[in-house]
Amino acid sequence: AQSVTQLGSHVSVSEGALVLLRCNYSSSVPPYLFWYVQYPNQGLQLLLKYTTGATLVKGINGFEAEFKKSETSFHLTKPSAHMSDAAEYFCAVRRSGNTGKLIFGQGTTLQVKP
Amino acid sequence: GAGVSQSPSNKVTEKGKDVELRCDPISGHTALYWYRQSLGQGLEFLIYFQGNSAPDKSGLPSDRFSAERTGGSVSTLTIQRTQQEDSAVYLCASSSPGLAGESSYNEQFFGPGTRLTVL
Repeated sequence: AQSVTQLGSHVSVSEGALVLLRCNYSSSVPPYLFWYVQYPNQGLQLLLKYTTGATLVKGINGFEAEFKKSETSFHLTKPSAHMSDAAEYFCAVRRSGNTGKLIFGQGTTLQVKP
Repeated sequence: GAGVSQSPSNKVTEKGKDVELRCDPISGHTALYWYRQSLGQGLEFLIYFQGNSAPDKSGLPSDRFSAERTGGSVSTLTIQRTQQEDSAVYLCASSSPGLAGESSYNEQFFGPGTRLTVL
C-alpha cells in the first residue's frame, strides 16, 4: 500500500529565508509524486509533479522538489520565502498506471514571519 | 467559468438527514474524483470516475455514501442519514484524458469544495 508522510505539521520561517517542507513516501512501484498548495478557503493548486525523467522538478512560484529514490523522499524547497507563500502544503503520491487516485500526506502549514 | 465548480459552497444539516453535493468538472475532462478533507483524517480519496469505466469506489467510508456521474459530466455525491463525523470539506477534481484515454500523468484540477456541517 502506498502512503505519504510529511514531517512537521507546522513550519515557520522568516521572510527571505529558505523554505524546506519534507515528504517521504512508500510505494512498491515507481510512483508519481505531487505537491499541492491550499490557500485559505480555496481548493488545491498544483505546485509541481514528478512522473519520469529529471529528478529535480521546478514548479510555480519559485518552488522546486527533488525525487530521491534511495531516500524515498520528495522534499519541497524555495530559496527565499515570501509572505504570500503562507498556506497549507500537501504532498501526494499516485501509482503509475490508470488508477487515478491521489494519496495525500497530512499537510504542512507554512507560516512566514515578517 | 473554466474551473471546477461545486455547489453548495456551504451546507449545514441535521444528523440523520440526506445531503447531495454537486460537482461540475472542467468541460472535456473525462476523469472526476471526490475527496474529503477533515481535521482528523486529512485528505482522503473517496471515489473516481474515468469515462465509461466502472468507478473506483474503494475510498467510500460506508454504504451511506454514494456517487453518480450523469452523461460523463456532472457528478453528485450523496450522503444518507448523515452523522456528525461526516462533517468535512468535500473536494471534487477533474483531469483531462491522456494517451490512450488514461489520466495518470495529468494534473487534477480541484474545485473550491463544499463545507458540510452536520449538527
